[in-house]
Amino acid sequence: QVQLVQSGAEVKKPGASVKVSCKTSGYSFVDFPTQWLRQAPGQRPEWMAWINAGTGGQQDSKKFRGRLTITTDTSAATAYMELSRLTSEDTAVYYCAREVGGRYDFWGQGTLVTVSS
Amino acid sequence: DIQMTQSPSTLSASVGDRVTITCRASQTISIFLAWYQQKPGKAPKLLISQASALQSGVPSTFSGSGSGTEFTLTINSLQPDDFATYYCQQYNSYPFTFGPGTTVDIK
Repeated sequence: QVQLVQSGAEVKKPGASVKVSCKTSGYSFVDFPTQWLRQAPGQRPEWMAWINAGTGGQQDSKKFRGRLTITTDTSAATAYMELSRLTSEDTAVYYCAREVGGRYDFWGQGTLVTVSS
Repeated sequence: DIQMTQSPSTLSASVGDRVTITCRASQTISIFLAWYQQKPGKAPKLLISQASALQSGVPSTFSGSGSGTEFTLTINSLQPDDFATYYCQQYNSYPFTFGPGTTVDIK
């Protein structure tokens, strides 16, 4: 069965970086883009970026340009999202999701990132 | 960016009720619209894509309609498991964007 399993919760200080992993199984990792989204408390999900391990293509939101790095390890069927220069506004649950034609049919369980001094 | 709005923001209903949620896009998105259900502490779950195509395993009490800029999600005969927050999402163009959500709670 399709699964996306994310790394555990993180607590970071302002100015630090965080790296979240998303290990996939149950499907061909290179055939589906992996998307990264986040959801701040009480807010709607927000798209951050996508990466296609098969083609190498990727795109990120202008909002995070310069702070966001997304990568994949094809041999491990795992995607990574690293966000730098964290502020309290980055406190959120971060999700990876499998994308099919624009919609997200399978999601990771979410990783809570708390930014606090 | 395409802005998505939803109404109402909160809906109080009883088991067995029929409920309708409306989603509007700031510009035409054809039928590139999905609906998700989210429960507290869980990831969103895809219910409907292409405005009206039900995902496998989703009860037939859920239905979607619309095109262009106005869409609806209807739940016929609300079940206890349906009390949750519902989001629409456009995937016509990047950045893909979500509506603010509609919370369906128990009257």
